[in-house]
Formats: sequence, C-alpha cells, structure tokens
Amino acid sequence: EEQLIESGGGLVQPGGSLRLSCTASGFTFSNYEMNWVRQAPGKGLEWIAYINGRNFVMYYADSVKGRFTVSRDNARNSMWLQMNSLRVDDTAVYYCAREDLWGHDAFEMWGQGTKVSVSS
Amino acid sequence: SSELTQDPAVSVALGQTVRITCQGDSLGRYYASWYQQKPGQAPVLVFYGENNRPSGIPDRFSGSNSGDTASLTITGAQAEDEAHYYCNSRDLTGDHVIFGGGTKLTVL
Repeated sequence: EEQLIESGGGLVQPGGSLRLSCTASGFTFSNYEMNWVRQAPGKGLEWIAYINGRNFVMYYADSVKGRFTVSRDNARNSMWLQMNSLRVDDTAVYYCAREDLWGHDAFEMWGQGTKVSVSS
Repeated sequence: SSELTQDPAVSVALGQTVRITCQGDSLGRYYASWYQQKPGQAPVLVFYGENNRPSGIPDRFSGSNSGDTASLTITGAQAEDEAHYYCNSRDLTGDHVIFGGGTKLTVL
C-alpha cells in the first residue's frame, strides 16, 4: 500500500526549532517530486516547500523562506522539513504531499499530517 | 503575486448539480487541481489537469477550464460530498504553488 506518514510535530516556543519527517512506503520515492503544505487552525491550505526527486531543486513560499529547509534522502524514502525561528503564526497541521508523475502539478497523495503548535 | 479566488461558500440541494469556481491569472497558463477536504481529514485529489479524475473518485466529479477560470462540477451531489473544496495551480513564476481560499460546500 502506498502511503506517506508525517511525524515530528509538537509544541515549541517562539524562536525555537522543529524537524518534521515524511516517510514514504509502497512506491519508488525517488521518482516523485514532493511538497510540504500546511493548514493553520480553521484556515485554508498553504503550500510552503517543494523538492524534486533527483537533483534536489527546492522552492519555498515567501512566508518560510530563510527559516525552513526541505531535504530528502531517497535511500531512506524520507523527506524532512527543518523549521527554525518558529513564530506563532507557523502553528498548523503540516502535510507532506506527492505530486503526480505526469507533470500535472497535482498533489495526488497526502499524509495524514502532523500538528505543530508554536506558543509560549 | 498570483492569487486564486474561490467563493467562500456554496450550497446545493441533494441530487442537484453544483459548480465551484476558481479564478486567477495563473490559470491562463497552468491547469488547476481540485481537492476535497472533510473535517479532521487530509485533502483528497478529486480532479486535475485538462480532464483527469483519480482512480476511485466518482464520475459525478468533473472539471473544466476557460481562460482564467477553472471549475469543478458535481453532477448529482450526494450528502457525502459536503466538504471544503480547494483549487491549486502553479503561480505565474512557475516555481511556487498557490491554493485558493477554499469553498465550503453544503448539501441541503
């Protein structure tokens, strides 16, 4: 069964750091471009980061650029989101999402999300 | 920067047809994808590209594109279709992804 599982969420103080993980199974992880998407409580979806499958090109939303870093290890079927200088408005459920293989930019598979709370 | 605009809320009578729209400059260059999200659950892709429905999505879900507007149509809405619906596409730079603000669909 193909799946994505996020982990690493929790409660952190403003200015702190957290590292989220996304572990893939059931498919050839290296073939896929991957993204992080977050959803603040009661709000809509916000794309925050992208990493491609082979040469690790990365893009970030302006809201997290310079604070968050996306990385992956295809041998470990894993992707990470290193979040530094966290702010209260980073509080959200964070999802990892897999893009389709055919260039449609569609997020065809999502994990169940991991909750990050930034509060003093 | 690019934006995608959706109506915040739409309602439809059970069994009737509803269209949810998504408007933005980037849609003149890129196709939209559509996601359904129910409370407490992760989003699910329901339609994407020019004319693609993922496996397992009922054929009552369809999409269309015209100029800077993409639409998701549910023909014969069911109670289980009550959810938030989000569109997304690349922005005009091509490097970033943008989401619409979401439409809450109520099935009456």
